Amino acid sequence: GQNIDQPTEMTATEGAIVQINCTYQTSGFNGLFWYQQHAGEAPTFLSYNVLDGLEEKGRFSSFLSRSKGYSYLLLKELQMKDSASYLCAFKAAGNKLTFGGGTRVLVKP
Amino acid sequence: ETGVTQSPTHLIKTRGQQVTLRCSSQSGHNTVSWYQQALGQGPQFIFQYYREEENGRGNFPPRFSGLQFPNYSSELNVNALELDDSALYLCASSLEGWGANVLTFGAGSRLTVL
Repeated sequence: GQNIDQPTEMTATEGAIVQINCTYQTSGFNGLFWYQQHAGEAPTFLSYNVLDGLEEKGRFSSFLSRSKGYSYLLLKELQMKDSASYLCAFKAAGNKLTFGGGTRVLVKP
Repeated sequence: ETGVTQSPTHLIKTRGQQVTLRCSSQSGHNTVSWYQQALGQGPQFIFQYYREEENGRGNFPPRFSGLQFPNYSSELNVNALELDDSALYLCASSLEGWGANVLTFGAGSRLTVL
């Protein structure tokens, strides 16, 4: 079957680093996505991994291990505006994304 | 380029009624997907349209139906509304083909069923 799991909530301090883990199970795999969603707004694309390894994009990095069914999103130099939900999703076939429940990150001053 | 626009932004219906939600895809995109996002949860795939035909469907009953028009805009129709249909309905567009096929989401239509 298919499933995907990520923590419900995390709290961190402004300027710190937070790592959001995501584990998944799927028979077919065509990539792992991370989206950011502020309350009441549309999810916005952060990163895409299809090969193993680390993809760095400014303050955000994403890692994938296909053999372990594992990904993480690393947020560095946290800012107050980073308070949001972070959605992990895999693509198995076509353009359908299977999302996790989202991790709500609260950044405190 | 214009992004994905959805209408209406908010609406309230009662059980048993029908609702139509609309979506205009991002310029240059030919594929539209619809997702249902309950409060505090991740989006759940409803279905996808490509070249005006349904091209994949999630675990939703037949009372959820859709259309895609020649200009790639789309509608989501839900009949016989139930209380559990209360959610944010997200439309996402993308360009079918090789590559990441990143979905661009609209801000959603928040449906409340009383």
